[in-house]
This record gives sequence, C-alpha cells and structure tokens, in this order.
Amino acid sequence: GAGVSQSPRYKVAKRGRDVALRCDSISGHVTLYWYRQTLGQGSEVLTYSQSDAQRDKSGRPSGRFSAERPERSVSTLKIQRTEQGDSAVYLCASSSLWAHEQYFGPGTRLTVT
Amino acid sequence: DQQVKQNSPSLSVQEGRISILNCDYTNSMFDYFLWYKKYPAEGPTFLISISSIKDKNEDGRFTVFLNKSAKHLSLHIVPSQPGDSAVYFCAASLSGTYKYIFGTGTRLKVLA
Repeated sequence: GAGVSQSPRYKVAKRGRDVALRCDSISGHVTLYWYRQTLGQGSEVLTYSQSDAQRDKSGRPSGRFSAERPERSVSTLKIQRTEQGDSAVYLCASSSLWAHEQYFGPGTRLTVT
Repeated sequence: DQQVKQNSPSLSVQEGRISILNCDYTNSMFDYFLWYKKYPAEGPTFLISISSIKDKNEDGRFTVFLNKSAKHLSLHIVPSQPGDSAVYFCAASLSGTYKYIFGTGTRLKVLA
C-alpha cells in the first residue's frame, strides 16, 4: 500500500521568504509529526497533531513554524521568514492512534540561500 | 543538550558477525524506545521497539536490550548482512506522550 509521501523532495528558498512543505500520510493514521533533521544534531520534533486538529501544537522554534491539516491525511508545514539555519531535511511521519511506531516519508531537503 | 545520544557515528562489521549499536539517554522519564534504520534518500523505517517494563525484545536477527539503571539501550544484529548497511537511529519518548526524541544516528557498514 501507499506509504507516507512528501513534496517537494527538494526546495531552495531565498532567506526571508515563506515556504510550505506537504505531507500525505497513510490513510487511517491519526497522528502526524514533523521532524527537522540536521547533520550532527539528529532529529527534533517540530510539531505534531492528533485526530482532526486543524492546527498543530506549538513548534520549535516557536512562531515561524506551524502546521496545518486541511484534510485528515494531509499536513502542510509552513515556515515563515526562512533563515539560513532552517536549511535541513524535514521529515514527516504518521502513526495510528495509540501506536508508537511511526512511518516516515522520504523527507524534503530545504536549502535557504 | 541532547537527551538521546549515539556516541559512535560509524561502525564497520564483517558479514556474519554481530553488530552492536549503542544508545544512551539522560531522562529517566523515557519509557518507550524505538530503533529505526535509514537508507540514503529514504525516510527512516521502524525496526524494533522496547518498553521500559522489559529489558529485552527480540525480532529475528534484531534484539534490543534496555538497561534502565544505566540509561542505556543497544541494538544487536546477528548475523550481520551487507543489506544491513544503513544509518541506525534510536529514539525515546516520555511517559504518556508519543513524541520521540531521536539520537544523531550511527552509520553501520557491513563488509562482505
């Protein structure tokens, strides 16, 4: 069956511009996570949502990162006023309710110039 | 300040031998742990998990050991195969949450 997909796979943005990254999760999964993965620092949770929450819980760093869930199996991570330090791979993952196992997408590599 | 640490960035093992990947954590409130494997250009895929009420979980060639007093877990792969060559991440979640904190990964290379 279809796994988690992300688009675009690569994104280049000029510093200061806003970007939106999309995640299509596995049908039936209710929890969606966004992670940021940087070299040498592992992956940190940016935000996650459960069930039908339209807007996700607070992200890190707060303010510029937010996620929306226009459909149950779709999430959009929005980064406002991008900074060079935002350059990273952004991973989306989903899981079924009360399950620990998360299924990851292939990631979007964001480069801020 | 990293709460989940994988202190070995890389490991090389001969095919057929045992691979041991280590992970240390600092927060005693972590109660569920996962190991993921990641190939280049792909997202991490789930390997094996362990709850803090156990000290060992086995699935085929993969065994995870948890030492709560030492705040240490390890993944054993035996026998190692060339297809096991990947980056391995451990992850831990706080009691009552499903948010995971990941380590920085260990790149395993299994030599044929």
